[in-house]
Amino acid sequence: DIQLTQSPSFLSASVEDRVTITCRASQDIGSYLAWYQHKPGKAPKLLIYAASTLQSGVPSRFSGSGSGTEFTLTISSLQPDDFATYYCQQLNSYPLLTFGGGTKVEIK
Amino acid sequence: QVQLVESGGGVVQPGRSLRLSCAASGFTFSGYGMHWVRQAPGKGLEWVAVIWYDGSEKYYADSVKGRFTISRDNSRNTLYLQMNSLRVEDTAVYYCASNDCSGGSCYPKRLDPWGQGTLVTVSS
Repeated sequence: DIQLTQSPSFLSASVEDRVTITCRASQDIGSYLAWYQHKPGKAPKLLIYAASTLQSGVPSRFSGSGSGTEFTLTISSLQPDDFATYYCQQLNSYPLLTFGGGTKVEIK
Repeated sequence: QVQLVESGGGVVQPGRSLRLSCAASGFTFSGYGMHWVRQAPGKGLEWVAVIWYDGSEKYYADSVKGRFTISRDNSRNTLYLQMNSLRVEDTAVYYCASNDCSGGSCYPKRLDPWGQGTLVTVSS
C-alpha cells in the first residue's frame, strides 16, 4: 500500500504569509497527486490535480509542485478564507486511493 | 449544476446495519466511477470504496471489506453504501465523490465533485 506523509500536521500563520505544505509518498506515484481543502461541515474542495494543475476557479495564490515521491502545496499569500485543513491524495494506485494525514492551517 | 447529495445517516447500535444514498444530478452519472470517503471525528479523510461506472467492479478499503457493499442504480442516478456489522469506529461523516473521467478506461487524476456528507454515529 502507498502511504502519504504530510508535514507539518499543524501550522500557525498570519494573513499574507507564504505557506508551504509537504506530502511524501512511500513509493513513486508519478504526478498522480491531488490537493484538497476541507472546512468543517463542508465538502472537500479540489485545489490542485496532477501535482501542479490548478483546478478551475481556484485562486492563483495556490500552487502545487513535485513528482515521484515529494510534493508541495504553496499558498503564496494566505487569506482569511484559507484557514482550513489541507489533504494530499494519491491516485497512482487507483482504484485503491490514499489520503495524507492532513495539515491544519490556523490563524497565528 | 453538478451536485451530489448524500442521505441515510443516523445513529445506529453496534452490529446493526445502515444504507447510505448519494443522489447525483447535473452530469451523466452512468458514465463515471464513484467513491465513498469518510472522516471520523478528529481524524483525516479515509477512502472507503469505489464502483465502476457500470457497476462491474468494486473495490474496498481493508477496514470495511466484507462488511460494506457499494452499489449503484444508474436508472435512478443514485449511489449506495450498504453498511453491515457496524462498529463504533465506523462513526464518521460519509462523502460520495466522482471520478473526473468517464468510461471503462478511466484513470482519474482527481475526485470532483463531492457531496456535503452524511453523519453516521455508531453507539450503544
